[in-house]
Amino acid sequence: DVVMTQSPLSLPVTLGQPASISCRSSQGLVYSDGNTYLNWFQQRPGQSPRRLIYKVSNRESGVPDRFSGSGSGTDFTLKISRVEAEDVGIYYCMQGTHWPFTFGPGTKVDIK
Amino acid sequence: EVQLVESGGGLVKPGGSLRLSCAASGFTFSSAWMSWVRQAPGRGLEWVGRIKTKTDGGTTDYAAPVKGRFTISRDDSKNTLYLQMNSLKTEDTAVYYCTTKIVYWGQGTLVTVSS
Repeated sequence: DVVMTQSPLSLPVTLGQPASISCRSSQGLVYSDGNTYLNWFQQRPGQSPRRLIYKVSNRESGVPDRFSGSGSGTDFTLKISRVEAEDVGIYYCMQGTHWPFTFGPGTKVDIK
Repeated sequence: EVQLVESGGGLVKPGGSLRLSCAASGFTFSSAWMSWVRQAPGRGLEWVGRIKTKTDGGTTDYAAPVKGRFTISRDDSKNTLYLQMNSLKTEDTAVYYCTTKIVYWGQGTLVTVSS
């Protein structure tokens, strides 16, 4: 199975400051169709997961533009340009290229 | 509006069985690949399995920890997804979510396996 790792696992941030989460996969994530199926999810306390980013850098409808994704190959990054209080939660990367799909362990973002 | 509503969770003894349901609305269920994802208490997300549309063969794929014990099925006439869980283990304790396209998620149903 493809192993997804994330760093850091805990990220205390100051409101209004940027934040960055790294995700690494144990194998390349380019599918046979040429797409890279790397997703980012946000899970707020007590809620179901919400997909923020798909195919590395595409924001879901309704996701604020302070969220951005980048990367290629086996290294990917989620950035929040200016953290707001509503961004508190756990962020997961997930690969949808190789079955079984796998999630990273999650990065807990909270406010300092 | 897309809605996914899971039900059927509860407390079951190790070795027991349980069937979860996921009622779907707001989209063409028969055209959607459907999946189950679980989350153990205080832990991360884990893929359980998926089922393709009948058009795509209706086949299923499972993650290793549940293969041979869990069965995913669908009833397109009822817009409902199922997860039959047999030979349950304590490590199967989790909130079980159904999802389609990994964009739409239900609220989850808690399964507790304990003696």
